[in-house]
Amino acid sequence: EIVMTQSPATLSVSPGERATLSCGASQSVNSHLAWYQQKPGQAPRLLIYGASTRDTGIPARFSGSGSGTEFALTVSSLQPEDFAVYYCQQYNSWPWTFGQGTKVEIK
Amino acid sequence: QLQLQKSGPGLVKPSETLSLTCTVSGGSISSSSHYWGWVRQPPGKGLEWIGSIYNSENTYYNPSLESRVTISTDTSKNQFSLRLTSVTAADTAVYYCGKPKPDSTGYYGAFDIWGQGTMVTVSS
Repeated sequence: EIVMTQSPATLSVSPGERATLSCGASQSVNSHLAWYQQKPGQAPRLLIYGASTRDTGIPARFSGSGSGTEFALTVSSLQPEDFAVYYCQQYNSWPWTFGQGTKVEIK
Repeated sequence: QLQLQKSGPGLVKPSETLSLTCTVSGGSISSSSHYWGWVRQPPGKGLEWIGSIYNSENTYYNPSLESRVTISTDTSKNQFSLRLTSVTAADTAVYYCGKPKPDSTGYYGAFDIWGQGTMVTVSS
């Protein structure tokens, strides 16, 4: 099983600032990585798949990068609605696995 | 536009079987090259992939649950279902049904469509 490790666990950022979230895989997942945003009481929302492709309707301030074992999600200028928990997920091999999440909170 | 509607009980007794159904609207569950799947989230914790079904017959399960889980489809009702046997309090979670989409390399796995989450509590 591929273990996904996200850092930091919590990121305190001021609105308008840039945020970078990291996700590491215990072995290569090539580019088969997705990022989700989850707000309280809601289902996760797909932001990025294929490591760097934004899903339909996702604002351009969200970008994904990386391949192999190291990945990043960058939010170029945090908006009030971006404060949430973010998860990465690999789907390169079974079982599909999620990271433990990074909470982005208002500083 | 494809939508998923989950149904099933919110309370299950220990040692019994949890059964949830996800009804697909706006498309056919038996369309070619379609994956469907289930994800759960214990209270205050992260996401856990339970399993997926491909083309209504190929199933893939999380090894941690494989001995207790079955995912199946009912094409006549345009539904797919989750069955989890011998539940314990550790199975208490919000359960989601979802549909993974393919990326540019043809790999499926990113869930772009989700059903509403419903809390399932295991308690006597």
